Amino acid sequence: KAGVTQTPRYLIKTRGQQVTLSCSPISGHRSVSWYQQTPGQGLQFLFEYFSETQRNKGNFPGRFSGRQFSNSRSEMNVSTLELGDSALYLCASSVDGGGYGYTFGSGTRLTVV
Amino acid sequence: AQSVTQPDIHITVSEGASLELRCNYSYGATPYLFWYVQSPGQGLQLLLKYFSGDTLVQGIKGFEAEFKRSQSSFNLRKPSVHWSDAAEYFCAVGASRDDKIIFGKGTRLHILP
Repeated sequence: KAGVTQTPRYLIKTRGQQVTLSCSPISGHRSVSWYQQTPGQGLQFLFEYFSETQRNKGNFPGRFSGRQFSNSRSEMNVSTLELGDSALYLCASSVDGGGYGYTFGSGTRLTVV
Repeated sequence: AQSVTQPDIHITVSEGASLELRCNYSYGATPYLFWYVQSPGQGLQLLLKYFSGDTLVQGIKGFEAEFKRSQSSFNLRKPSVHWSDAAEYFCAVGASRDDKIIFGKGTRLHILP
């Protein structure tokens, strides 16, 4: 079966711009979580969506937002980009929640210049 | 709130030697515990998970981990490493099946030929 698909794979944006990243989970998976991965901070939890509702939230500013559609596909949006937002953004799909174990996508590498 | 610590940032072992990667967690009740591996240029893959039952858990690729409540630890072991095991390993913890999953900073494993 198809894995977790993240698009695009790479992005270069300018400070102040906004960006939207997309994630298509494994078919039948209702939970999608987003993580930011940087060399200094490791993997940091952004938020989780389950059945189109945000169920869990990390400690990121309001510039980071997300949503989930009825087909479980999810998007995350970052507004007013800062240099520090440069990171690998990972999407994780699971049946009903992270406690079941995640399947990760390959990530979107965002560079802010 | 739960947290997880991986005390070793880098570990180097010889091919064929045994391996133990340390993980300590902080959580009042029995947590959901995971080990994930991230190979260069690849996404994270679930190696094994624990949430109840036998405290010795078998995973993929010949890995196992042991939950020790008295030590708040969930160390990952492999009796004989292969060069292909060189990767970054992440321990993760959650409070329940639908709670957010928090990752440690990771341990990078280097294999000597």
